Amino acid sequence: EIVLTQSPGTLSLSPGDRATLSCRASQSIGSSSLAWYQQKPGQAPRLLIYGPSSRATGIPDRFSGSGSGTDFTLTIGRLEPEDFAVYYCQQYYTSPGSFGGGTKVEIK
Amino acid sequence: EVQLVQSGGEVKKPGDSLKISCKGSGYSFTNYWIGWVRQMPGKGLEWMGIIYPGDSDTKYSPSFQGQVTMSADKSISTAYLQWRGLKASDTAIYYCARLALYDFWSGYFTYWGQGTRVTVSS
Repeated sequence: EIVLTQSPGTLSLSPGDRATLSCRASQSIGSSSLAWYQQKPGQAPRLLIYGPSSRATGIPDRFSGSGSGTDFTLTIGRLEPEDFAVYYCQQYYTSPGSFGGGTKVEIK
Repeated sequence: EVQLVQSGGEVKKPGDSLKISCKGSGYSFTNYWIGWVRQMPGKGLEWMGIIYPGDSDTKYSPSFQGQVTMSADKSISTAYLQWRGLKASDTAIYYCARLALYDFWSGYFTYWGQGTRVTVSS
């Protein structure tokens, strides 16, 4: 089973800052089998990025994904107030799939 | 419009049985895998397993194999998650979600249900 480790656990930033979130896999998951989700309190997760650099429908271009092999990154170009949330990565290279533990992006 | 609508919250006692549901609409229900994701209080997301409603093929995470049962009734476009013998540690929100690609088991979740809160307490 592939384990995903996200870092940091919490990121304290201000609106307008750039956010860089990391997701590391315990073994290679190839070049495309990673997705990122955003979850706000009381809501279901929402798909942001897949493949690992394609934005889902309606996702603004300040969100971008990159990486391959075992190391992947989600970047939020300039944080908007609505971007403060928890972010999860998910691998779909193998079954079972798996999620990372999450990174909380909070207002500094 | 693709929608996944889950059944309402449940409060159960340890040892009880439970079956929660997830009704899909706005797409060909039989041709997309449906997954279940657990979120324990204050914790992250856990991939439980997926089911293909077309033939009820299933893939479970080893952590959940034998602990829950996934099923589907394609005639009413509904997937189910079932427990026999609930434990307090089953207290969580359970989400159903649809995989992205037609007729393919591997993928990311594009559409999510609203979640079903299950509380197990004596």
